[in-house]
Amino acid sequence: AAGVIQSPRHLIKEKRETATLKCYPIPRHDTVYWYQQGPGQDPQFLISFYEKMQSDKGSIPDRFSAQQFSDYHSELNMSSLELGDSALYFCASSFRGPTGELFFGEGSRLTVL
Amino acid sequence: ILNVEQSPQSLHVQEGDSTNFTCSFPSSNFYALHWYRWETAKSPEALFVMTLNGDEKKKGRISATLNTKEGYSYLYIKGSQPEDSATYLCAFVGGATNKLIFGTGTLLAVQP
Repeated sequence: AAGVIQSPRHLIKEKRETATLKCYPIPRHDTVYWYQQGPGQDPQFLISFYEKMQSDKGSIPDRFSAQQFSDYHSELNMSSLELGDSALYFCASSFRGPTGELFFGEGSRLTVL
Repeated sequence: ILNVEQSPQSLHVQEGDSTNFTCSFPSSNFYALHWYRWETAKSPEALFVMTLNGDEKKKGRISATLNTKEGYSYLYIKGSQPEDSATYLCAFVGGATNKLIFGTGTLLAVQP
């Protein structure tokens, strides 16, 4: 069965550069979530989309933006990267919002040098 | 700020032991409670989603209970096996939102 696909899996950027992460949810899932997991930390909620509209916002810096496109894939754009942005970024999708279990992608590891 | 706490932080048991851990969450404005299992180098995998007070769910040797009035959920593993070694995360959803707030996890290590 198709799973949540994230790309790229690994990304190395320098400070002040820009990065874009992509997420392709499971077909027919209506909700996409982005989480950031720093080293040794639990996943922190960044933002979610329901039916292509932003539904909730968490601790997402102003330097970050995200959107969901007509084909339901989502992109997380990060600008003016800082060393502290180095983390594993997970995308997850669900059907029926938060009462449906989340299916996670394998994550995109961003390293900022 | 919503607080979702899990205890213990880590647990070491012997193969065959039964174990349980706790997820505490705000008792007001409850909407759903999720449990996930997260193995090293893999992505989190859903175990249960519970929405009703008194819910009990079971999957093989793993089961979970939910008390929304007092704000806690227990996860039980019967007869732990080395392959159960993982971090177990709970996530709380308050109100009609799409925001899951994760706890800090309980790291379970099962020694053969």
